[in-house]
Amino acid sequence: DAGVIQSPRHEVTEMGQEVTLRCKPISGHDYLFWYRQTMMRGLELLIYFNNNVPIDDSGMPEDRFSAKMPNASFSTLKIQPSEPRDSAVYFCASSWDLGAYGYTFGSGTRLTVV
Amino acid sequence: AQTVTQSQPEMSVQEAETVTLSCTYDTSENNYYLFWYKQPPSRQMILVIRQEAYKQQNATENRFSVNFQKAAKSFSLKISDSQLGDTAMYFCAFSSGGGADGLTFGKGTHLIIQP
Repeated sequence: DAGVIQSPRHEVTEMGQEVTLRCKPISGHDYLFWYRQTMMRGLELLIYFNNNVPIDDSGMPEDRFSAKMPNASFSTLKIQPSEPRDSAVYFCASSWDLGAYGYTFGSGTRLTVV
Repeated sequence: AQTVTQSQPEMSVQEAETVTLSCTYDTSENNYYLFWYKQPPSRQMILVIRQEAYKQQNATENRFSVNFQKAAKSFSLKISDSQLGDTAMYFCAFSSGGGADGLTFGKGTHLIIQP
């Protein structure tokens, strides 16, 4: 398996623009997680899905953030409109359970909002 | 909510030395899982080692081992015969038995292996 695949690897956008981050989980993993990493706050769980259904989105910082998982092999995290404080590395991870065996992470998307 | 604390923001050791990274956590649960992840400059998060709380035996993976002290809620990582490729951020992580909160991470320790 190619692992968790995220795109793009880097994204630079202007404030106010819409940004869409993409993720392809490992086949057979029922859980998909979106994390955000910043120097100040470390790694924060934004939202997770089980069998394509959003289960807990309490970590999503604002209504500007939304996530979807239309099928078992694809998820998106969208920020609209983007702001400079959204600049961070966004990770997608997948697992076959909620956490007993850890998660497999993608290589992340570094988002810079100018 | 569970918390994970890594009190060493940065550590530096010479190649081939042994180094121990500290981690403490706070939980009221009895069944849980602990992990160490490595994040090299490539940014990839790599699972290094895993410990089940109900197992007393400390986990070992080649040069990596843990010292799990359940009563003290301590979970340290020991790296033996350190190598230049071990230079990375290391994150301690916690997952409850039910996993409802996902993995909770500490702030990380930046480990530098000097040649």
